[in-house]
Amino acid sequence: GESVGLHLPTLSVQEGDNSIINCAYSNSASDYFIWYKQESGKGPQFIIDIRSNMDKRQGQRVTVLLNKTVKHLSLQIAATQPGDSAVYFCAETTGFSGSARQLTFGSGTQLTVLP
Amino acid sequence: DGGITQSPKYLFRKEGQNVTLSCEQNLNHDAMYWYRQDPGQGLRLIYYSQIVNDFQKGDIAEGYSVSREKKESFPLTVTSAQKNPTAFYLCASSAGKSGTSNFFGPGTRLTVL
Repeated sequence: GESVGLHLPTLSVQEGDNSIINCAYSNSASDYFIWYKQESGKGPQFIIDIRSNMDKRQGQRVTVLLNKTVKHLSLQIAATQPGDSAVYFCAETTGFSGSARQLTFGSGTQLTVLP
Repeated sequence: DGGITQSPKYLFRKEGQNVTLSCEQNLNHDAMYWYRQDPGQGLRLIYYSQIVNDFQKGDIAEGYSVSREKKESFPLTVTSAQKNPTAFYLCASSAGKSGTSNFFGPGTRLTVL
């Protein structure tokens, strides 16, 4: 079936280094992708999104890359900080049911920033 | 400040009891959602609502019920028919096709004793 998945369940990086979190998706009809950050015991927090008509989008210290040819999404975090330690989820959507956006989530990657 | 509130933060329930989780948003969003999250896993959709007095089943609706009597509120009832209700429950909302991504509340952790 259609699914969103992550290549690595855990990722450890040194403080100050760049982090790259990867995500594979299999639904070629997906047209909108979102990265969320979830700290322990809290709700997911929106980081950045990208539509399927784009290949790259940049935010503050974060960049999302979309490769539709191989159905791959990545989140790059520049100069990783201790506060970046969290679980990161990618989500895809194929559209709307009325006003409701249908999202499919991956299982998440735990990012740990080492001092 | 606009946002989503969920209450309570922690909830304990005895087996066989129904329990209702509250979700309120002041973002004026049309759509609202309930997700379930189990340890080390992603989010799974329980129910969603596009508009007041309308709601649709998600992927794991069995053992749950919802109502949408007001735009701001979307309570979730976990019934005794839900065989494994211990989980982290997340409410979300979105503004519709022209809006931003789904915005999440802080969650309610339900534990069945």
